[in-house]
Amino acid sequence: NAGVTQTPKFQVLKTGQSMTLQCAQDMNHNSMYWYRQDPGMGLRLIYYSASEGTTDKGEVPNGYNVSRLNKREFSLRLESAAPSQTSVYFCASSETRNEQYFGPGTRLTVT
Amino acid sequence: RKEVEQDPGPFNVPEGATVAFNCTYSNSASQSFFWYRQDCRKEPKLLMSVYSSGNEDGRFTAQLNRASQYISLLIRDSKLSDSATYLCVVNQNTGGFKTIFGAGTRLFVKA
Repeated sequence: NAGVTQTPKFQVLKTGQSMTLQCAQDMNHNSMYWYRQDPGMGLRLIYYSASEGTTDKGEVPNGYNVSRLNKREFSLRLESAAPSQTSVYFCASSETRNEQYFGPGTRLTVT
Repeated sequence: RKEVEQDPGPFNVPEGATVAFNCTYSNSASQSFFWYRQDCRKEPKLLMSVYSSGNEDGRFTAQLNRASQYISLLIRDSKLSDSATYLCVVNQNTGGFKTIFGAGTRLFVKA
């Protein structure tokens, strides 16, 4: 039982490049989330998916798109990376609105 | 004003000390409350939920004061392994469900 997995663990992009962060969970959870974490700030919600086939914007959605491919997988895409998107990205899933289970994170640097 | 505010930290304490973390939230309609723990360069993990009646889990005690919009976490008999960042988390359901993370308080426990 792997829980929540994310790939890649680290990534360096040049400004303007695109990439997709992958997330998968094996706990059969309905809800999945993408957060970013920056120094001195709490985790901020980028997008979430309450169930397969639905996605909604969170607090900081600009510059990102998501796809809920199926119940297990929720991907985050940066179409044209900017230095302001340098951050640690966490994917999470939950069954109830209580405990969220997080993946190990992706450390992204945009130069 | 941030929606969830925590002590800025860091807290440096010796082993065996008792340490208390405080957290305030701005939305009186907030519904549920949690403490998460995040180790350095790792993902957040749920430490405990916070109930109105207060709750205890071993050396950890969490309390909620709805009237003052205040949450606390008390750690007794600190261990070296308690060194981490402690995140206060609040769920709201006003105009849509939202989970808000505090920026966290860093704890260093020294021998």
